[in-house]
Amino acid sequence: GAVVSQHPSRVICKSGTSVKIECRSLDFQATTMFWYRQFPKQSLMLMATSNEGSKATYEQGVEKDKFLINHASLTLSTLTVTSAHPEDSSFYICSAGRDQSYEQYFGPGTRLTVT
Amino acid sequence: AQSVSQHNHHVILSEAASLELGCNYSYGGTVNLFWYVQYPGQHLQLLLKYFSGDPLVKGIKGFEAEFIKSKFSFNLRKPSVQWSDTAEYFCAVTPFSGGYNKLIFGAGTRLAVHP
Repeated sequence: GAVVSQHPSRVICKSGTSVKIECRSLDFQATTMFWYRQFPKQSLMLMATSNEGSKATYEQGVEKDKFLINHASLTLSTLTVTSAHPEDSSFYICSAGRDQSYEQYFGPGTRLTVT
Repeated sequence: AQSVSQHNHHVILSEAASLELGCNYSYGGTVNLFWYVQYPGQHLQLLLKYFSGDPLVKGIKGFEAEFIKSKFSFNLRKPSVQWSDTAEYFCAVTPFSGGYNKLIFGAGTRLAVHP
């Protein structure tokens, strides 16, 4: 149990366009989902925390108008990178948490390349 | 600011050697502690966790970690590594405040095990 999927696994887009990444908890309800960014050979940096039905909480330095997060249901959160630029190219990873647990279950990640 | 330090960025071992990866955190209150592993091309997986109780915790694949509160440490150990342990290992901390809190990751340690 506790499987998290992400779609797409890889995406290439042109500079100036927007890209949506989906994160789904497949076999449990996730009241809280987290979005991370991982640069090559570096650790995961938390971008934002989203709770179902409420606005996401963004970490300092993360532009909320650029990285739009929606957590519309207990099994789905989306991250939209708006007006993407090459510097947004990165590996984006989501995780989900269950009630009564402080564990987070991670998705496989989405590699975004902006050309 | 809260932080997690992993002392070794890159470790190279031969099979059957013993492993110890250091992890220290800076936070004075109660914490939940985690070690995650990321095998090449795969997503993050939980190796083990500490919430409370016995400070020596055992995880999957023969790994264990010891929480030493006085040293703010949570070192990962394995008595005899295998080639299949080649991966990146991340220590993470969640400062406990009664609800979901963000995971603060260390920079990661890249382990290479040679046959």
